[in-house]
Amino acid sequence: GAVVSQHPSWVICKSGTSVKIECRSLDFQATTMFWYRQFPKQSLMLMATSNEGSKATYEQGVEKDKFLINHASLTLSTLTVTSAHPEDSSFYICSARDPRNRVEQFFGPGTRLTVL
Amino acid sequence: GENVEQHPSTLSVQEGDSAVIKCTYSDSASNYFPWYKQELGKRPQLIIDIRSNVGEKKDQRIAVTLNKTAKHFSLHITETQPEDSAVYFCAASRHQAGTALIFGKGTTLSVSS
Repeated sequence: GAVVSQHPSWVICKSGTSVKIECRSLDFQATTMFWYRQFPKQSLMLMATSNEGSKATYEQGVEKDKFLINHASLTLSTLTVTSAHPEDSSFYICSARDPRNRVEQFFGPGTRLTVL
Repeated sequence: GENVEQHPSTLSVQEGDSAVIKCTYSDSASNYFPWYKQELGKRPQLIIDIRSNVGEKKDQRIAVTLNKTAKHFSLHITETQPEDSAVYFCAASRHQAGTALIFGKGTTLSVSS
């Protein structure tokens, strides 16, 4: 199946700093990628849909100025958590659909963010 | 937008018993329904999926049924084993490249030997 990678796998930062998370499709091109956030013992909540070459679409309640998404190429989307606070600590997972297999969605391994 | 409800939130069974997890969805245009198994700190793993043109799909001990009229779908695991213990999520989406999956809240399955 298609492969999606994320970097870093975990990050610890101080409150007030910014953190960038990368999501890459390794063997296919993805015009659209999705970002999810998962708090402990909860479900995956869709944060935003990342569109190559255009602005991301954010879900209701997600601050677009705080969670900056850039999808500059067909294989890379980045999520930047700006001015991170302890409540932003979570598991962030990206996903994408391989256009050769339009149905299944492939997930990255996730990034564990801890804000001190 | 789509809303997916999942029940039960926890399920405990004895090894060898069957387990059933149920989900309902709200968007009648949704036509793709995957089920995921997730272990702590890892990405969701697709275990089975079904499209709206099919009523039932089976893969060894795992089966999924879909009732489009009632807008609900279920995961059935037979002959459960301790290694089936995990969190299971259902999801729904439209079969379009730019459409995200919307997840249910998850079911923690515990299989005791």
